[in-house]
Amino acid sequence: EVQLLESGGDLVQPGGSLRLSCAASGFTFSNYAMSWVRLAPGKGLERVSSIASGGSTYYADSVKGRFTISRDNSKNILDLQMNSLRAEDTAVYYCAKVGPPPVGYYDSWGQGTLVTVSS
Amino acid sequence: DIQVTQSPSALSASVGDRVTITCRTSQGIRNNLAWYQQKPGKAPKLLIYDAATLQSGVPSRFSGSGSGAEFTLSIISLQPEDVATYYCQKYNSAPWSFGQGTKVEI
Repeated sequence: EVQLLESGGDLVQPGGSLRLSCAASGFTFSNYAMSWVRLAPGKGLERVSSIASGGSTYYADSVKGRFTISRDNSKNILDLQMNSLRAEDTAVYYCAKVGPPPVGYYDSWGQGTLVTVSS
Repeated sequence: DIQVTQSPSALSASVGDRVTITCRTSQGIRNNLAWYQQKPGKAPKLLIYDAATLQSGVPSRFSGSGSGAEFTLSIISLQPEDVATYYCQKYNSAPWSFGQGTKVEI
């Protein structure tokens, strides 16, 4: 059974930094692309960042230059380093597993971790 | 970028009703579309991929159809546990955008 467990969400001041982690199990982590998707209050789902099995990355324009996604295939860990945080980054952040290549839908999701950016 | 427009934004229906949600894209995306269900306080759940393929374990009252630029998600007999927000998502090319969501109430 696929399991994705996020951690690291917290209350942080504007301009601050936070690192989210996602521990994956139940599948061959290194074979799959992974993403961070967020749900902000009153908004819809937004794909924040993705990393392919080979390491290529994608960032939404709204986070480009501030967020960095990375993966450790030896530990089955997906990370998201978030710098220069803004109020509009407040959201529940989900770790999501992308389906079998070459598709781009998400077949498994974590339970989410809450990031609140406020002074 | 290809735009994804989902409608309606919200609907209210009775138990046993047939419910239809539409997702339109600004360009054709073949059948590269997925549907998700998100209940309050829970993670999204994949319902349908490749426009019409039901994910394992999803009740058969859910169905998807369409190709090109217009797609629909249907719930043939709405149940109380179907109260949720539903999202479409295109994945033919980056960015893999989501629709705005449809909140379904009873």
